[in-house]
Amino acid sequence: AQSVAQPEDQVNVAEGNPLTVKCTYSVSGNPYLFWYVQYPNRGLQFLLKYITGDNLVKGSYGFEAEFNKSQTSFHLKKPSALVSDSALYFCAVRDGGGGSQGNLIFGKGTKLSVKP
Amino acid sequence: SQTIHQWPATLVQPVGSPLSLECTVEGTSNPNLYWYRQAAGRGLQLLFYSVGIGQISSEVPQNLSASRPQDRQFILSSKKLLLSDSGFYLCAWRGGGSTLDTQYFGPGTRLTVL
Repeated sequence: AQSVAQPEDQVNVAEGNPLTVKCTYSVSGNPYLFWYVQYPNRGLQFLLKYITGDNLVKGSYGFEAEFNKSQTSFHLKKPSALVSDSALYFCAVRDGGGGSQGNLIFGKGTKLSVKP
Repeated sequence: SQTIHQWPATLVQPVGSPLSLECTVEGTSNPNLYWYRQAAGRGLQLLFYSVGIGQISSEVPQNLSASRPQDRQFILSSKKLLLSDSGFYLCAWRGGGSTLDTQYFGPGTRLTVL
């Protein structure tokens, strides 16, 4: 069965410091991996995805994520955090084999708090 | 470019009343459409998805139903709301071509059942 885990409910970072939001996954085939961000009372915004190719994926707002097949991880990173990055972050996975109509499985979300 | 709309933005309904939430997508054809619920706390629960007009798949048995009367319209309904139906309802679409495999979300509807 497909699953995705975000082990941290909350991550606290000082502005200007690097940030990492962790995600691990389990799929039967090749994984399609996604990161979304949600601001309060808003829908989810797509940040980036890994389908194939380079393990380091660059996305919106200066975010990037590194796909690590051996560790089954897809951690979200940013070199220098901004207060405006404070939000709820979701990791999601889809089985690249196309099972279940290609539906995404979401993690429970990690709240990122960036303090000035 | 593609745009997804949801309305209403907020809704307060008494227990036992009916519900109708609407989602429409512009700028794409034959999208896959999804309804999610996000309860207080954060987790996303997939409720329904549709791969075409009149084709609805239910992921969780519940008090809700969905319909897709037109290619780019997805409706979430209930005949009688329960307190447990309160939450943030999100519609999403997924297309093909360059947007293959990425789901894009609408702004959401905040439903409070009293």
